[in-house]
Amino acid sequence: AQSVTQLGSHVSVSEGALVLLRCNYSSSVPPYLFWYVQYPNQGLQLLLKYTTGATLVKGINGFEAEFKKSETSFHLTKPSAHMSDAAEYFCAVSASGTYKYIFGTGTRLKVLA
Amino acid sequence: NAGVTQTPKFQVLKTGQSMTLQCAQDMNHNSMYWYRQDPGMGLRLIYYSASEGTTDKGEVPNGYNVSRLNKREFSLRLESAAPSQTSVYFCASSENGANVLTFGAGSRLTVL
Repeated sequence: AQSVTQLGSHVSVSEGALVLLRCNYSSSVPPYLFWYVQYPNQGLQLLLKYTTGATLVKGINGFEAEFKKSETSFHLTKPSAHMSDAAEYFCAVSASGTYKYIFGTGTRLKVLA
Repeated sequence: NAGVTQTPKFQVLKTGQSMTLQCAQDMNHNSMYWYRQDPGMGLRLIYYSASEGTTDKGEVPNGYNVSRLNKREFSLRLESAAPSQTSVYFCASSENGANVLTFGAGSRLTVL
């Protein structure tokens, strides 16, 4: 079975500050991990993904995430927040050979001027 | 580059009415999905179609039916709408399972 926990339903950061959005997963098989972003009144868009290989994954818009198997985590970071980063972010877990993604409940990021 | 197109974008129904949400993708993807999004609950899978000709239940299939009309199109039907089905519905597609999902813009449904 798989599950995802996103800590913090709302996160506020100042413009230019570090963004850290937390995601922990549970999976009985090697996981595929994703971060998606949703802007208001839009569908979700892929930020980045981890399947196999390098554990530090770089995505679009300066975001990156590190797969830490020992901590069952896949936290999303960005060194310097921009106003345009304000959105809702979803972590998701899947696995090879499955069609069932499990999404976290989402973290809404607010960027303060 | 349309990607995934959903119709309608908004719909208001009365309890007991029926309706169909339409979804089409132009990326030649094999797999298609229907999710619902509710505040504080993330996205929950209603039904999916791994490939043309197949459909399977997800986490929350009760009250819904689906049809994979062809490789491009995957519709979601509410036979007798209930207020608990008030939600935002997203269609998505992927090349195959566990690959990146491409989402439509969503359909906001209100059941009175």
